[in-house]
Amino acid sequence: QQQVKQSPQSLIVQKGGISIINCAYENTAFDYFPWYQQFPGKGPALLIAIRPDVSEKKEGRFTISFNKSAKQFPLHIMDSQPGDSATYFCAASSSGGNQFYFGTGTSLTVIP
Amino acid sequence: DGGITQSPKYLFRKEGQNVTLSCEQNLNHDAMYWYRQDPGQGLRLIYYSQIVNDFQKGDIAEGYSVSREKKESFPLTVTSAQKNPTAFYLCASSIISGTGFNTFGSGTRLTVV
Repeated sequence: QQQVKQSPQSLIVQKGGISIINCAYENTAFDYFPWYQQFPGKGPALLIAIRPDVSEKKEGRFTISFNKSAKQFPLHIMDSQPGDSATYFCAASSSGGNQFYFGTGTSLTVIP
Repeated sequence: DGGITQSPKYLFRKEGQNVTLSCEQNLNHDAMYWYRQDPGQGLRLIYYSQIVNDFQKGDIAEGYSVSREKKESFPLTVTSAQKNPTAFYLCASSIISGTGFNTFGSGTRLTVV
């Protein structure tokens, strides 16, 4: 059973638009939800993360919202820029666990 | 600068050959991980280690082996038993296993020739 489900697989957005990538989790024991950004040929880099005690976290143009009842934590990218074109992964882990679970990734393309 | 160093960046393997991918970290992290990345499949966990001289199988451990003789090093061997080894391999570490976030290396692209 896939622990973290991410959608869409690919996304094309106009420059200046809002990019929304969805992520849902299964295990209610998860208590840490990071998002990673990956450029071609590079390793993923932490972009932003949230814990269940807050409903929203914002860092610059990137925002995670957390919906505990729906078990979802979508990523919003405001004023999307061509430099945001990358693959984005969501992930989840639990304090008592010993590994991270990743979504399948979303390839974002921002067109000028 | 603290970080994770993976080498080599590109690696070519002949059929039936074992190859070893290097991963070194100077972050003083306890936990280290190996992931395999294939297009459209995200990151799949191969092996992870929480302490020196101990490691656990992940979801796709068959055909791979690891060692953790030093805290800073976690090499991955892709054996001849791995029938489809062509992929992008990522090493990661975290302060404590399962918490915080993974810091990733820049990856090794392995190709079978």
